[in-house]
Parts: sequence; C-alpha cells; structure tokens
Amino acid sequence: GDSVTQMEGPVTLSEEAFLTINCTYTATGYPSLFWYVQYPGEGLQLLLKATKADDKGSNKGFEATYRKETTSFHLEKGSVQVSDSAVYFCAPMFSGSARQLTFGSGTQLTVLP
Amino acid sequence: EAGVAQSPRYKIIEKRQSVAFWCNPISGHATLYWYQQILGQGPKLLIQFQNNGVVDDSQLPKDRFSAERLKGVDSTLKIQPAKLEDSAVYLCASSQTGRHTEAFFGQGTRLTVV
Repeated sequence: GDSVTQMEGPVTLSEEAFLTINCTYTATGYPSLFWYVQYPGEGLQLLLKATKADDKGSNKGFEATYRKETTSFHLEKGSVQVSDSAVYFCAPMFSGSARQLTFGSGTQLTVLP
Repeated sequence: EAGVAQSPRYKIIEKRQSVAFWCNPISGHATLYWYQQILGQGPKLLIQFQNNGVVDDSQLPKDRFSAERLKGVDSTLKIQPAKLEDSAVYLCASSQTGRHTEAFFGQGTRLTVV
C-alpha cells in the first residue's frame, strides 16, 4: 500500500551548516508531496510543496524536488539558522478517492549558534 | 483570513471519563480532517469529512471515538470512555476541494488521560 518513510532524528547542526532530511514514499499513483514544519509551541504549517515530477518546491531557503524515478522528496537548505529549529514532516497526499495527507514520523532539527 | 480554530487547548481527564473537542474550519473549506498526534510521532488521520459526509473513518476507533460535522461547518470529536493511550494532541485541519490543495491546521488540543 501507499506509505512514507522519513529520516530518523534528531538532527543537530551548527548554524550555517547544510541540511538534508530524507523522505521516500511508496505509491500506486502519483501523489502530491508536501513538507510541513512545526515550530516549538506552534501548529503545523506548510513549508513547501510539489505536485508533479521534477517540480521543485521552495520557501524560506528550503528546497525539495519531486523525484519520480527514486520516489523521493528530500528537504534541503544550504545554510541553516537557529530559527530553523523545529520538527519537519514529509507528507505525501496519495491519489485515490479520499485525498488526505499521510505524515512521516518527523525529524527534530536543532540548530546551535 | 482567520485560521482553523480549536478548543480547548488543553484538557486533563481521568481514564474512563469522556471528552469532546471542537473545531471551526476556515470559511469555505469543504474538507475537514481530525488527526491524532502522539508524542514523538507524526499525525495519524482519524477521520475525514467532505462537507458533512464522512469520506474516510477507517482508522477511527469507533468503539470509543465519534465525530460529527454539523451543517458542513463546525466539527466535534468525542472520546468515551478515554484510555491512557488516548493521551495525544488532537489536530483539526481543513482544506479546499482540489487535487493539490494544502491542509491548514489548528493549534491542536493536548489531551492528557491520567
């Protein structure tokens, strides 16, 4: 069946380091792909999305590319900041009669000054 | 634009008691979701509504959980009786109808069952 696998955390980086959080999925169709972020004490909010193969979503310096051939949607940022400390969730929206987000397990990112 | 409103923000109850959560989605959003997020895990879908009809409730523990969406707008999620393992954050989200539309989440209700 449809599923998502997200890189285990937690991840601790120094400020200005490069970030990659891996996300792969298994799907019978072609899902829309989302990254959500949960800052401390706040609700889930959309970080970026991509809706078809080779699309690149970007926001706040974060990027992720929809790779159909590897069924992946890895999140990257070239230079992280302390303010990026949060929990990041990969969330495909699998095609089907009930279009709904399926969340990965989440990756806790801590950025140290 | 007002966001998804949820109440209460926090609730502590004893096991075997009942509890109800309320959600008011973004105006005009036909789709409403309830998710359960256990500490350290990703949110898990409990139930999805399209207007006031249920689209998917396959992961809702129907022996103790129930949900309704009144007139296709507000929704309530009830647990009766609660168990210790129900301790979690209950998230409500809404979205417009459409293939690639994002879901907007409320702040959630943190439930502690003691």
